[in-house]
Amino acid sequence: DTAVSQTPKYLVTQMGNDKSIKCEQNLGHDTMYWYKQDSKKFLKIMFSYNNKELIINETVPNRFSPKSPDKAHLNLHINSLELGDSAVYFCASSTRGELFFGEGSRLTVL
Amino acid sequence: DAKTTQPTSMDCAEGRAANLPCNHSTISGNEYVYWYRQIHSQGPQYIIHGLKNNETNEMASLIITEDRKSSTLILPHATLRDTAVYYCIVRVGGSGTYKYIFGTGTRLKVLA
Repeated sequence: DTAVSQTPKYLVTQMGNDKSIKCEQNLGHDTMYWYKQDSKKFLKIMFSYNNKELIINETVPNRFSPKSPDKAHLNLHINSLELGDSAVYFCASSTRGELFFGEGSRLTVL
Repeated sequence: DAKTTQPTSMDCAEGRAANLPCNHSTISGNEYVYWYRQIHSQGPQYIIHGLKNNETNEMASLIITEDRKSSTLILPHATLRDTAVYYCIVRVGGSGTYKYIFGTGTRLKVLA
């Protein structure tokens, strides 16, 4: 039973399209995150939510809009996709200690 | 705004101890050091974390210097399956607002 699950695992789309990635955790954690991993494997935090409230927004372009319908879900919607958005996006959750990651969603923008 | 620096890559012979260093000279008093690893492009996996004292679990040991400006992750008997990118992380913020800031990672290759 996967703790942090993301869908889709792979996403290939054209520039200018809008796409969403979904994340769900069944750990009962209060805080969820989105990280972006670029081609150089650098993991950069994008957003965090605590109990559905936005806590961290790391100067991400406003084409990226996270939404947390409840504390078990954190979705990421991306408008007007650009080539530079190609990356692996990781969802994670935590309570007060360890950060649990999903398996990632690889987005390729053509 | 990475708060940690790590060597880009290291090799280790199978069965030997792998010692992975990390510098975090700007760490504040209540900020924890975490270590994660990433095998291929899977989700990063937790290894260990600590604040001041040395820590040990079934996977690894974490040695933190007394001034807390650096730490070393030790895999006591490296196996081929330990080949991965190892990330040293500083956790900043308070409860509910924690931010886990990843370093650039060390690519560890365990050699047969």
